[in-house]
Parts: sequence; C-alpha cells; structure tokens
Amino acid sequence: GAGVSQSPRYKVAKRGQDVALRCDPISGHVSLFWYQQALGQGPEFLTYFQNEAQLDKSGLPSDRFFAERPEGSVSTLKIQRTQQEDSAVYLCASTQTDSQRAFFGQGTRLTVV
Amino acid sequence: GIQVEQSPPDLILQEGANSTLRCNFSDSVNNLQWFHQNPWGQLINLFYIPSGTKQNGRLSATTVATERYSLLYISSSQTTDSGVYFCAVTTSYDKVIFGPGTSLSVIP
Repeated sequence: GAGVSQSPRYKVAKRGQDVALRCDPISGHVSLFWYQQALGQGPEFLTYFQNEAQLDKSGLPSDRFFAERPEGSVSTLKIQRTQQEDSAVYLCASTQTDSQRAFFGQGTRLTVV
Repeated sequence: GIQVEQSPPDLILQEGANSTLRCNFSDSVNNLQWFHQNPWGQLINLFYIPSGTKQNGRLSATTVATERYSLLYISSSQTTDSGVYFCAVTTSYDKVIFGPGTSLSVIP
C-alpha cells in the first residue's frame, strides 16, 4: 500500500479484556517496529521484526504483550488482560531494506476503562 | 542503552520567527531521523540524516556524528509547523530510539 496502515484507529477496552492491534506495513518493507506512546511522551520501543523473525522484544512491558508477523508482512500486537496503564497510542513503523528511514502509521489509541 | 536528549523541551514562536532545535545522543549511531508529530498524532519523517546537512524548503538539518549531535532549523515559522519534533537514532541493529521531543507552538 501507499503507507503504513493501522487498525483500529481507536479502541476502548474494559480492564481485563484482550485486544489485538493490526499493522499493515508498506509493501516490500522488511523491518517492522511497534512503539507505545503515552500522553505527552515520545514513542517507546516495544519490539522489532525483520521479515517474520522477531529479533528484539526487549521493550515489551510484560508477558501480557505479544506480537507476531507470521508471513513477514502484516503484524499483530496482542495485549492480554488489559490494565489501565496500557492506555496509550500504539504506533507501527516499517523501513526499507536498504534504508533505515522509518514510515509510521497513524497509530491505534487504546483506552482501558 | 543509548540516551537521546532534546532541547528545548518547549518553544513558543511568533509566526515568521526562526528557531533551532537540538538533539544530543550518547553513543555512535547508524542513522538519525527527525520527525514531526502533528496535533492529530501522525508522525511524519522530515529528514533522514546520518551526517552532513540537508535542506527541504524552510527546514534544514545538520548532523555532526563525531560530536554526537544534530540540529533542526526552522525558518520563517508558520502556524502549521506547530506540533512535537522528535529526533530518533538508529542503533547498530536497526532499533530506533526516540528522544523526548520538543513541543513547538507557533502563534499568529
């Protein structure tokens, strides 16, 4: 596609509910990143894929967070048993193979109530 | 891990004024990018600038990798320039680390 697409744009979840956030990267982009951005803060790294391989998941805040990219294109970030502190904007970015220039989606704003 | 600092944290400009935003980083990096996050949250890549100087219209950026800093210049600022400006560095294995941002408000 023309850009990185994320869905849904907004998600309201009750505490304890599981959520799944989707990212469609730019076609052909090998690297894919997930970030969490709390209100008034810069994006914080969560995890990184190169094709289908998850090379770095050091930023995932707990074992309730899980990400996958089974076919090396679309990625899903899953949060189990959501807590209020999970409320944030979740951003996805992809980069080209021969360039580290990152292109971001519009993000998913998650609100846990 | 690598630390990224940005200054100033907040900036208010009169429309038409010029400004310089600074990014310092604590270790050598593969690349550096400047992003603008607009009031609707969209992150737009402004510059991909591991070293040297680039210009795009009223914006220009300079990175001095050996001294671990980068500068973003905004000339003749406009209200549409308002938002948060992030510096982001790329480590040796492609991990992109963001600074805390500079919040810019341009008033008419």
